Amino acid sequence: DAKTTQPPSMDCAEGRAANLPCNHSTISGNEYVYWYRQIHSQGPQYIIHGLKNNETNEMASLIITEDRKSSTLILPHATLRDTAVYYCIVRVSSNTGKLIFGQGTTLQVKP
Amino acid sequence: NAGVMQNPRHLVRRRGQEARLRCSPMKGHSHVYWYRQLPEEGLKFMVYLQKENIIDESGMPKERFSAEFPKEGPSILRIQQVVRGDSAAYFCASSSENQPQHFGDGTRLSIL
Repeated sequence: DAKTTQPPSMDCAEGRAANLPCNHSTISGNEYVYWYRQIHSQGPQYIIHGLKNNETNEMASLIITEDRKSSTLILPHATLRDTAVYYCIVRVSSNTGKLIFGQGTTLQVKP
Repeated sequence: NAGVMQNPRHLVRRRGQEARLRCSPMKGHSHVYWYRQLPEEGLKFMVYLQKENIIDESGMPKERFSAEFPKEGPSILRIQQVVRGDSAAYFCASSSENQPQHFGDGTRLSIL
């Protein structure tokens, strides 16, 4: 699975959009981009995933660049409860198999 | 629709004892994964099981650790003769075919 690079930390004002970047320059054509987050002391929570098209669900939007070498997770209106560590993971297919977690981005939403 | 259920939430053992961690996957999920998170570290994959079969155990320590997912009942992660270094949060995830993994809230294992 391809390696990902994320900034270690970011701040965001409550009510504003949080844009979390992820670089995955060695991504292969059959690899998906997944986003999870882990709120302190809880289990990781699935957010969204995509292959090449932009995706949106009730939690977030995922924007993948045309060359697929980077992506951005967008939380449209961040709340204090969105403070968490966000993980960008690249893996083959949307099928089964282990997830490899990096260090992620610690997002701090401030009032 | 209940999520992934792990129990116990907290488990305290003395060195040398056995620890058994249980995971009930989401309804309809036949794939189970175990991950370990040491204090102040990221999650590390341990083992992937699919109903009675171990598919990938590349992250499992070679000794003292075992996992099973029987035809009936929860998946069990078993740690024999626990040591202080086994203190961690152990997370279970489950999925169905072609679907993302969903995680439980973990078991915090403390070794005295």
